[in-house]
Amino acid sequence: GAGVSQSPSNKVTEKGKDVELRCDPISGHTALYWYRQSLGQGLEFLIYFQGNSAPDKSGLPSDRFSAERTGGSVSTLTIQRTQQEDSAVYLCASSLGFGTGVETQYFGPGTRLLVL
Amino acid sequence: QKEVEQDPGPLSVPEGAIVSLNCTYSNSAFQYFMWYRQYSRKGPELLMYTYSSGNKEDGRFTAQVDKSSKYISLFIRDSQPSDSATYLCAMRKTGANNLFFGTGTRLTVIP
Repeated sequence: GAGVSQSPSNKVTEKGKDVELRCDPISGHTALYWYRQSLGQGLEFLIYFQGNSAPDKSGLPSDRFSAERTGGSVSTLTIQRTQQEDSAVYLCASSLGFGTGVETQYFGPGTRLLVL
Repeated sequence: QKEVEQDPGPLSVPEGAIVSLNCTYSNSAFQYFMWYRQYSRKGPELLMYTYSSGNKEDGRFTAQVDKSSKYISLFIRDSQPSDSATYLCAMRKTGANNLFFGTGTRLTVIP
């Protein structure tokens, strides 16, 4: 596709359930990022992939959060035993992955997660 | 204290006004500075990026960086209703890959 796509666009779940969020980056982009956008908090970095490896997982808030990337393309963010404080918009971004300072990160539209 | 501070607004201006949006930061390791625009229920899109202190102009938009004061600005001239969005500043440290974002300023341009 032309841009980063994410699915589902909206997800409502009950507290304690597991959820999986999917990101399809721009074709050819080797770098992939997950961010979380909460009300009043701005975007918070979660995890960075270069290819299928995740050299930086420093933003994952707890061990309930995990992510993987396969084939250097699609990534899945999994939240286990969801809590109400997990409610947020989860944004995925991709970039060429050359690691230059001015490299543009292109964002998807996000998945809006609501935990009841 | 957050590493990047941004006034959340909201900011409301009449069409044609000059808009000034600002962020401050506390960590001198930030070397790359960006402004993103985010429309409602959409992902952020990059507007401008700068590396060094000084000004960078692109059409109606001017990005300004003052590293000595740890202060960055985005100016929008001749603002249009289509500029109504949330504007996010973002920064990146040398050697790092992730971006640090401000909370965003919601701007409304009134026709």
